[in-house]
Amino acid sequence: DQQVKQNSPSLSVQEGRISILNCDYTNSMFDYFLWYKKYPAEGPTFLISISSIKDKNEDGRFTVFLNKSAKHLSLHIVPSQPGDSAVYFCAASPRANFGNEKLTFGTGTRLTIIP
Amino acid sequence: GAVVSQHPSRVICKSGTSVKIECRSLDFQATTMFWYRQFPKKSLMLMATSNEGSKATYEQGVEKDKFLINHASLTLSTLTVTSAHPEDSSFYICSARPLAGAYNEQFFGPGTRLTVL
Repeated sequence: DQQVKQNSPSLSVQEGRISILNCDYTNSMFDYFLWYKKYPAEGPTFLISISSIKDKNEDGRFTVFLNKSAKHLSLHIVPSQPGDSAVYFCAASPRANFGNEKLTFGTGTRLTIIP
Repeated sequence: GAVVSQHPSRVICKSGTSVKIECRSLDFQATTMFWYRQFPKKSLMLMATSNEGSKATYEQGVEKDKFLINHASLTLSTLTVTSAHPEDSSFYICSARPLAGAYNEQFFGPGTRLTVL
């Protein structure tokens, strides 16, 4: 039962253009969402997060949008750079409950930026 | 800041042997550490939550006698794969939650590639 889904296993984008990575979830208990970037043979690196009380959060070139009614979030990267090539995971966490900070990860999307 | 290390980064062992993987938070204290497993081209799957000074909480389907977790201090958690078999070959990643961090803030280690022959 994959509660967090990233339906696109891969995505190629021209350098300088916008990269849009999508994520869907099924569990209505999730209220905090995160995006991680991962290089091969390395652990994930935190990129950006969003709480369910917001619908948008921006940090430099990265913006995350949350549509709670559709249980959908997306990560926008603009402009895309070659160093952005990596696997991106979205992750979700349930409502604030100390000691229950489990992250449920999506299956990942491999982003390739074409120079 | 917020660096998590894992040792070893890569290990190859024979079937039936036990392997210990260390996870250390280098510049912060962590009451909670998490152990994940990643199969090729798959998502990270949470195996267990490790709390300093108490027993680990295992996810459904994870054998606690197979994957022994010890969280002896605020900076160190270990995962021991006992009597390893080829199907245990995987990429194991730990994460650590800072003592003073946000409730769902986790920093990940670089991972350990386990190959069981």
